[in-house]
Order: sequence, then structure tokens, then C-alpha cells
Amino acid sequence: EAGVTQSPTHLIKTRGQQATLRCSPISGHTSVYWYQQALGLGLQFLLWYDEGEERNRGNFPPRFSGRQFPNYSSELNVNALELEDSALYLCASSSAGLAGGYGSYNEQFFGPGTRLTVL
Amino acid sequence: AQSVAQPEDQVNVAEGNPLTVKCTYSVSGNPYLFWYVQYPNRGLQFLLKYITGDNLVKGSYGFEAEFNKSQTSFHLKKPSALVSDSALYFCAVRESQGGKLIFGQGTELSVKP
Repeated sequence: EAGVTQSPTHLIKTRGQQATLRCSPISGHTSVYWYQQALGLGLQFLLWYDEGEERNRGNFPPRFSGRQFPNYSSELNVNALELEDSALYLCASSSAGLAGGYGSYNEQFFGPGTRLTVL
Repeated sequence: AQSVAQPEDQVNVAEGNPLTVKCTYSVSGNPYLFWYVQYPNRGLQFLLKYITGDNLVKGSYGFEAEFNKSQTSFHLKKPSALVSDSALYFCAVRESQGGKLIFGQGTELSVKP
């Protein structure tokens, strides 16, 4: 079974540009999560999508946005890039999001990440 | 607010010795706890989880974790460490309503031959 895939592996942008990161979940998983792993800041939750809807977002400015497509893949967009946006962006997927209830405790499976560098 | 803490930034163990990576949690309600491992420049790999039931949870690669409600701890253990276990380990708690995982700051495990 294929795992979570992310593209691109690396992305280099300059300040003020926009970045688009992509994620394909494990087949059968309906929930997709995005996390940022920045040096010194640890792993921070960005966004949760389930069944095409944004279900929760972390403490990030609105220039971080995304969407989930009908095939459950997802896209993370970061507008007006700043130097501090440089980080590893991790996507995860799990089964039975809302269908399993908000208390669903299925584990999240992570992709290899996209390394975003802002110059 | 829910949180987890990993009190040790780094743990050093000799190969063949038992290892413990510590985690304490603070939650309202029932805790849903997870351990993940991250190898350099890679994503996170799921090791094990505690939802309910037996306090000793067995996971991948010979790892296990002990849930202790009175001490609000969920320590990761392995009876005999391997050099290949050297990696960054994260403890996490699942937010009950928001779906997200709240991670500890991570513990760097170094296993020397």
C-alpha cells in the first residue's frame, strides 16, 4: 500500500512569492492534516481537512491556506512568503475523520515532507 | 489546554542496553497518546498509541510504552537498544475535538556501539 506522498521534495522561493505544496493521502483516508516543522519551533499544526472541508486551523496567519480536492488530495498555499516560513512542511492522513466522530483516535500517517526555503 | 512535555532534549544509550524516552501529558478528559519517530530529513513514522485498555502498549520495531495515569506519563521503552534506533522521537496527544496532534518538543536518542 502506498504511503502519503508529497511534492515537491524541495522548494526554493524568494520573499513575497507564493508557494504551493501538494499532498496525496493513503488510499481510503479522508482526512488530511498539515504541520510545520521549523527549526527551534518544533511541530506545529497548520490545517485539517476532511471530506473537502476545512475543519480546524492552527495559530497561523490567513496567508496560509489550502484546500482538499474530491479525490482527498490536498494543497497548501502560502502567500507573501516571509523568511521565517522556511521549514519542513509535513502532510499526514488518517481514516474516519468526521465519520469516526470528532473524538476519532486513528493514527495519522505522515509523508516525507516538503522542504521550503525562502530567500 | 492539552499539552505534552518531553523533559530530555537528548538521551544517550549504549547498544544492547534498555532505553527510556520520557513523556508527560496534561489533558482534560481521556488522553489519546502517540509516539512517532523521525529519521534525518524524513517524515514521522508512527510507533504506537494508547487509547484505552492495557497500560503497556506494544508497537513497531520492538518499542513499547507504559501509560501511567497517576503520574500522567507515557514513557517509551525498548529492552535492548540498536544503533539504528538513533533518531528524533516525538510524543503527541490528540486533541479531542480539533483533530490535531499536539507534539512534545522531541527527544534526540543516540545509541552508541
